[in-house]
Amino acid sequence: AQSVTQPDIHITVSEGASLELRCNYSYGATPYLFWYVQSPGQGLQLLLKYFSGDTLVQGIKGFEAEFKRSQSSFNLRKPSVHWSDAAEYFCAVGPSNDYKLSFGAGTTVTVRA
Amino acid sequence: DGGITQSPKYLFRKEGQNVTLSCEQNLNHDAMYWYRQDPGQGLRLIYYSQIVNDFQKGDIAEGYSVSREKKESFPLTVTSAQKNPTAFYLCASTPGQGQETQYFGPGTRLLVL
Repeated sequence: AQSVTQPDIHITVSEGASLELRCNYSYGATPYLFWYVQSPGQGLQLLLKYFSGDTLVQGIKGFEAEFKRSQSSFNLRKPSVHWSDAAEYFCAVGPSNDYKLSFGAGTTVTVRA
Repeated sequence: DGGITQSPKYLFRKEGQNVTLSCEQNLNHDAMYWYRQDPGQGLRLIYYSQIVNDFQKGDIAEGYSVSREKKESFPLTVTSAQKNPTAFYLCASTPGQGQETQYFGPGTRLLVL
């Protein structure tokens, strides 16, 4: 069965510093991978996705993620964090030609001035 | 603007009461989903529907029911059999051609009186 692990429950980062959120997945074939962001009390917004091709994926709001098959990872990065990046971030994985996604438990990001 | 709407934003349930959460989309998407979100547990799939008049149970369907009479609507009923209904409920949709990005509504928070 597919599964997603986000090892960090909570990360605190200073404004302007870099950010990296970890995501590890378990799935037998090539997965479809997603990162979503959720502000408090809101729905989820897609940051970026990987289906195939270039393993470094660019997303919205200055985020990027790198798919590493050998490590079963899809870590999210941002070079310089803004206060508005404080939110909860979810990694998700889905198999090809299937409608179901599995979500990680989420990582809450706090940005300090 | 195309999107997904959920109503109400907040819903209160009394003991033994059934309540229905609304989800409407004008994206012309075939597939729709209901998720439950609890702190620290990510999103768990309740039900999903790939086409009108058809739906499948997700991972935590007990105590919930759905219908899909129209393409744009996928209401979720939380029945009295759901003993711990307090959560944030998210509706999502995809075009339905395979594994694709899921678009989310703003969510409904259900509280028990």
